[in-house]
Amino acid sequence: DAKTTQPPSMDCAEGRAANLPCNHSTISGNEYVYWYRQIHSQGPQYIIHGLKNNETNEMASLIITEDRKSSTLILPHATLRDTAVYYCIVYYGNNRLAFGKGNQVVVIP
Amino acid sequence: DGGITQSPKYLFRKEGQNVTLSCEQNLNHDAMYWYRQDPGQGLRLIYYSQIVNDFQKGDIAEGYSVSREKKESFPLTVTSAQKNPTAFYLCASIPPPGEYTEAFFGQGTRLTVV
Repeated sequence: DAKTTQPPSMDCAEGRAANLPCNHSTISGNEYVYWYRQIHSQGPQYIIHGLKNNETNEMASLIITEDRKSSTLILPHATLRDTAVYYCIVYYGNNRLAFGKGNQVVVIP
Repeated sequence: DGGITQSPKYLFRKEGQNVTLSCEQNLNHDAMYWYRQDPGQGLRLIYYSQIVNDFQKGDIAEGYSVSREKKESFPLTVTSAQKNPTAFYLCASIPPPGEYTEAFFGQGTRLTVV
């Protein structure tokens, strides 16, 4: 089973920031938090990952709480092409990799 | 270019027949994974392999079998024991442990059993 909990779905307005929450209260010390997204019938696409510091790349920002029990993925200016299922997962190296059901995000014009 | 190749993209089989889905990678990754996805559902782990000649069951292994005779290949067989085999199947691989262990995915195989 997945070690993370996400809301099943959420809407956000085009052009606004989208904040996607994730709980991972049982995360181990060496496990990273990864975010992927999947557009219909394609393989998931990597977005960002982090261990304990906040991270930013060209796609998104990742905010991890100090206790590492939860994180938030921020899409700074959501576009219609950001509509997808977003997966928050925790793992280390080549261990068991479980995705769960993800969060269906719909960007509304 | 390095990547993961799943074949075929679409597969039709009669009920009761075994069918094997191919997954090949030239990324030199040790770990490979098979997932099943049903409409409106997330990815469920079927089997994974961390090294050649070794593999572990995931959450929904019943009715499936795998082999890992080569590092590059991790075929999945959907057997007649799988009660509802119609689904979208995804294969993934991960680099050796380190900071950047992003998972790489194939484009998937859509299996339809008639």
